[in-house]
Amino acid sequence: AQTVTQSQPEMSVQEAETVTLSCTYDTSESDYYLFWYKQPPSRQMILVIRQEAYKQQNATENRFSVNFQKAAKSFSLKISDSQLGDAAMYFCAYSTGTASKLTFGTGTRLQVTL
Amino acid sequence: GAGVSQSPSNKVTEKGKDVELRCDPISGHTALYWYRQRLGQGLEFLIYFQGNSAPDKSGLPSDRFSAERTGESVSTLTIQRTQQEDSAVYLCASSSSGGGQPQHFGDGTRLSIL
Repeated sequence: AQTVTQSQPEMSVQEAETVTLSCTYDTSESDYYLFWYKQPPSRQMILVIRQEAYKQQNATENRFSVNFQKAAKSFSLKISDSQLGDAAMYFCAYSTGTASKLTFGTGTRLQVTL
Repeated sequence: GAGVSQSPSNKVTEKGKDVELRCDPISGHTALYWYRQRLGQGLEFLIYFQGNSAPDKSGLPSDRFSAERTGESVSTLTIQRTQQEDSAVYLCASSSSGGGQPQHFGDGTRLSIL
């Protein structure tokens, strides 16, 4: 079975600094997708970034980028120039090309301080 | 609508009662998912609908849980004879198709069983 592990229950970063959230996963599939979702207190899940496993290039979305290490099964999220609005729970998630359901990690709570 | 709409936003009911939760997906999205999020935890997959194919019910925790979707429209998740452990936020998501496409989430229904 596929599993997603987020080993950092909580992280803190100062405004304007950079922070990296860790995620590892376990799969025997070759065709899969990885995601980072953000969940603020409003509880809506917001897609931050998506990575297709067959693409070697790391995905980027403005201040958000990933470090995708396929052999190591690692998918970390880097947030640059952190803003107060980045404070939220961040979930790493996985799906395959055939089984579309998302498997989520347990989340990392990110605090942003002044 | 512009996004995934869920109703009610909050539901409080007594143990043993039946509840029905509704999800209206983004127009044109063929795939629809239900997830459950217990307090302080990640999301657990419940059920997945893709077009007119048979749904993937592999995540339903017991036979008290069922869901329906007609075509590519509204879905309802029904929980019969509710138990206290059913208390959670129930999140619905839709995507343009299956197979790793980004899932767009609603705001969820917070279900509290007294």
